[in-house]
Amino acid sequence: SAVISQKPSRDICQRGTSLTIQCQVDSQVTMMFWYRQQPGQSLTLIATANQGSEATYESGFVIDKFPISRPNLTFSTLTVSNMSPEDSSIYLCSVSGTSGRSTDTQYFGPGTRLTVL
Amino acid sequence: KQEVTQIPAALSVPEGENLVLNCSFTDSAIYNLQWFRQDPGKGLTSLLLIQSSQREQTSGRLNASLDKSSGRSTLYIAASQPGDSATYLCAVNTGTASKLTFGTGTRLQVTL
Repeated sequence: SAVISQKPSRDICQRGTSLTIQCQVDSQVTMMFWYRQQPGQSLTLIATANQGSEATYESGFVIDKFPISRPNLTFSTLTVSNMSPEDSSIYLCSVSGTSGRSTDTQYFGPGTRLTVL
Repeated sequence: KQEVTQIPAALSVPEGENLVLNCSFTDSAIYNLQWFRQDPGKGLTSLLLIQSSQREQTSGRLNASLDKSSGRSTLYIAASQPGDSATYLCAVNTGTASKLTFGTGTRLQVTL
């Protein structure tokens, strides 16, 4: 299994500002993902964080709004830019198993609860 | 486009009862299916992973089955306890870069 930590665990931000969320894994993993869970909703994939190259974004999500970095195999950041109240959500980092196979179990971090005023 | 649905949306049962949660998906071409538990305001805890070639997986009081051809999975919880109260999510992996498509969730409450 993989142990994942996220910082911050929660934050309250003002409209128009940006917040960077960090995700740290205790072992090297091939795949890292960022999900969003809006209030009362299920999880939606924002992007796949690629080590050493640009992230792969899902339909409806763009790099200017959600820039992602992944400098190595254990760390990634997601920035929520120019925030509005509609960005209030839980943001979760997830990773595949250490083998990197598509059949691996996926593990999730504890999430970052963001409230935008 | 894969769509995942969970029924019921909410369930309340007395302690000790056995229960079944349902998950259905529209595209049967999946690599695996995973069941998660989410406590309020928390992240996800992986419960069981079923590969596409498997019919079921068991862990303690939990048993998950998979019928890929009909696009269905069930999570069976035996002898439910108040500590089982949480939202249960199923997610399918279609193998496209390991991306998961999540169901809508079942909110379970086990009462004393």
